[in-house]
Amino acid sequence: DAKTTQPNSMESNEEEPVHLPCNHSTISGTDYIHWYRQLPSQGPEYVIHGLTSNVNNRMASLAIAEDRKSSTLILHRATLRDAAVYYCILTTSGTYKYIFGTGTRLKVLA
Amino acid sequence: DTGVSQDPRHKITKRGQNVTFRCDPISEHNRLYWYRQTLGQGPEFLTYFQNEAQLEKSRLLSDRFSAERPKGSFSTLEIQRTEQGDSAMYLCASSLGRNPGANVLTFGAGSRLTVL
Repeated sequence: DAKTTQPNSMESNEEEPVHLPCNHSTISGTDYIHWYRQLPSQGPEYVIHGLTSNVNNRMASLAIAEDRKSSTLILHRATLRDAAVYYCILTTSGTYKYIFGTGTRLKVLA
Repeated sequence: DTGVSQDPRHKITKRGQNVTFRCDPISEHNRLYWYRQTLGQGPEFLTYFQNEAQLEKSRLLSDRFSAERPKGSFSTLEIQRTEQGDSAMYLCASSLGRNPGANVLTFGAGSRLTVL
């Protein structure tokens, strides 16, 4: 059911930027791109979302390709507390049923 | 506002027993969701409510599963005649969004079920 493809795992060094990719080649014009992350032993938490334009908030930036078939979550300076599973999901205007894939497990090295 | 609360956090039961989980959403949120998560997998959608109405159910929600949100506030998820395959983390989330596409979910910490 998941309409997104993400690498299973990535590693980053502490205090360096991290770019987490997501492919969504079947995205429709009304689909939003959302990112959530799940820290160990916690429920997922919202990170950021966007439709067409790049978005910034205090946690991260979201870069959306011009054709919207891919996007990248950018953590500007990774910290050890950013180690988590990051999920990229598409949300559609017609339903509140949000489908999560298996996400990308980010490991941050001290 | 204390966020989304789930109770109990951990439940160990024997196969064949019934279990019930409770979720208290953020008070002004009108939508409430249940997900199930097994080890190494992402959350799987089970069902969602708008106020007290259950609007969508996954085929994962077999006849042994029932969810209610009687007054549009808290919700319960009951599993009857539990099986070992029901062992998982049960996550509740709530939201207040008028546009499904831009809707942001707030999750609770989950209720972990172990069926022996």
